[in-house]
Amino acid sequence: ETGVTQTPRHLVMGMTNKKSLKCEQHLGHNAMYWYKQSAKKPLELMFVYNFKEQTENNSVPSRFSPECPNSSHLFLHLHTLQPEDSALYLCASSQEMGTGDLNYGYTFGSGTRLTVV
Amino acid sequence: QKEVEQNSGPLSVPEGAIASLNCTYSDRGSQSFFWYRQYSGKSPELIMFIYSNGDKEDGRFTAQLNKASQYVSLLIRDSQPSDSATYLCAVNPQGGKLIFGQGTELSVKP
Repeated sequence: ETGVTQTPRHLVMGMTNKKSLKCEQHLGHNAMYWYKQSAKKPLELMFVYNFKEQTENNSVPSRFSPECPNSSHLFLHLHTLQPEDSALYLCASSQEMGTGDLNYGYTFGSGTRLTVV
Repeated sequence: QKEVEQNSGPLSVPEGAIASLNCTYSDRGSQSFFWYRQYSGKSPELIMFIYSNGDKEDGRFTAQLNKASQYVSLLIRDSQPSDSATYLCAVNPQGGKLIFGQGTELSVKP
């Protein structure tokens, strides 16, 4: 496989459920990102990992818990979500951050469409 | 002031016309600039990147960068209905994470 793969593509969960979103990149990148995109809204950066270390948490509620076991995998663990958390969740990767070198942009996965009922 | 600004649109152009999408950014030290296309309900797809002042052409797409004016644009020639999407401008401020604009919705009418 190539690129950035996200699973599942669609997820419906109740407010009391626990589920996880998975992201895997096959590009040899060292930085990975979680974004949330609500309907007709801009991208909202949630978390940033660089070489497996979390470098940014944009005031995300604790019901979202990221995990990055290695540079190729990123998870987003979900529990006790609210209906307003329904959105498209996008994973992205890039070569790395903070080196001052030219950045070759992010590659996005196809996203997980999450519906909280 | 937002770090990356785009008009949200919608920008409506007739088929075959030139669509012009604009973006301004605040960090004067920004080094690399990207245009992503996002179809409704889909993920963003990189279509152009530019690092140097001037124009960069790729097929029907031309990216233009003016660092002195802190301005980057995307021209789409011979616009097609399949170009209808939201176009995201993204800026890399000196090696940090990309900063995305809110996107401009483009509608190409047959």
